[in-house]
Amino acid sequence: DTGVSQDPRHKITKRGQNVTFRCDPISEHNRLYWYRQTLGQGPEFLTYFQNEAQLEKSRLLSDRFSAERPKGSFSTLEIQRTEQGDSAMYLCASSLMGGSLKEQFFGPGTRLTVL
Amino acid sequence: DAKTTQPPSMDCAEGRAANLPCNHSTISGNEYVYWYRQIHSQGPQYIIHGLKNNETNEMASLIITEDRKSSTLILPHATLRDTAVYYCIVSSPYSGGGADGLTFGKGTHLIIQP
Repeated sequence: DTGVSQDPRHKITKRGQNVTFRCDPISEHNRLYWYRQTLGQGPEFLTYFQNEAQLEKSRLLSDRFSAERPKGSFSTLEIQRTEQGDSAMYLCASSLMGGSLKEQFFGPGTRLTVL
Repeated sequence: DAKTTQPPSMDCAEGRAANLPCNHSTISGNEYVYWYRQIHSQGPQYIIHGLKNNETNEMASLIITEDRKSSTLILPHATLRDTAVYYCIVSSPYSGGGADGLTFGKGTHLIIQP
């Protein structure tokens, strides 16, 4: 399967702990996006990368959230000092620059539960 | 991005055409209409997009009214596997800052009945 992959698929953590999620995009895609989805809502855009450059991060929910894509391939999303309100599905998507800019390919998501 | 309005839920009988409406009365001239769907416990999946002409692909057809203020996604022969939340998104395809992020609403939960 050459789609977008995310790891882990599920994460349970205690309040105050740090968590890190990984996303591997489709190999030739140079754009990578992170979204958060809470129950009953549509996905909420957080940030995106073009190659290794983070072009938009003002939508990150707080300074506890950070994302990296150091070599322009896989990306990580870190949440520091987790809170119960961070419980959600975290989705990653990728797309190809030059294609239809809104045709994004999503991974299966990482479901975070903060106890 | 223009705001969209969709019914929260719809039912359709298996084998029949499912017609999902979307209102986007504030759409601007360079904004496209995109449709995605999200099957339970999966990430969203791109379906189709269009600017002003009707579009068809292997998954669905998109009908956009002449004034572009509304559109309809048509699944011609719905199956049980089409049960999902369908999102209508209006956005400019041009890059720049947050313009590349998709703005999802709550979508329409389509339930295909056997």
